[in-house]
Amino acid sequence: GQQLNQSPQSMFIQEGEDVSMNCTSSSIFNTWLWYKQDPGEGPVLLIALYKAGELTSNGRLTAQFGITRKDSFLNISASIPSDVGIYFCAGPPRGGGSEKLVFGKGTKLTVNP
Amino acid sequence: DAGITQSPRYKITETGRQVTLMCHQTWSHSYMFWYRQDLGHGLRLIYYSAAADITDKGEVPDGYVVSRSKTENFPLTLESATRSQTSVYFCASRISYAGNEQFFGPGTRLTVL
Repeated sequence: GQQLNQSPQSMFIQEGEDVSMNCTSSSIFNTWLWYKQDPGEGPVLLIALYKAGELTSNGRLTAQFGITRKDSFLNISASIPSDVGIYFCAGPPRGGGSEKLVFGKGTKLTVNP
Repeated sequence: DAGITQSPRYKITETGRQVTLMCHQTWSHSYMFWYRQDLGHGLRLIYYSAAADITDKGEVPDGYVVSRSKTENFPLTLESATRSQTSVYFCASRISYAGNEQFFGPGTRLTVL
């Protein structure tokens, strides 16, 4: 089936630094979703992207829908300790029906104060 | 506004026992989903439901049973629990007509001894 590859798998940064992570696929996606999961909690939707080339912000977070439709990027500016968590990308697989999502395995972010 | 809730949050059971995990949403979303999350595998879809009395298998359905007699509830039953079903289980829901965004509950951590 279609897979989403996230990189890096983990990041260790200092508070105040900017963060960039990405999600790639060998197949085209028509939607890209970015979620954050805090320890012991369920994933929370951060940003949804529906159009190739789209750039969307949510506070200090900015996500982009790649022009090729095979990738997406998430940037966090001026990181703070509460940014710690696992960030997942997700999208509906082609041919699988839009009701389902496939998820990347996540990027684990650690922020040192 | 409770949103989507899961119970219990933590459960320890023994091999061979039947266990039911509950999921309740107050949004009247048509779609509901059950995922399991394991290290190295990310989020994997177990079952989903498009509406009351309509359910379908996901990626890893073996050993699980679902039902959906009411729109707001989507229980997941492990008929005879096995150690390999030790995992964190997440329920999610989404609106039928707007995008692909799914909204997750807080999760149930299940340990099978």
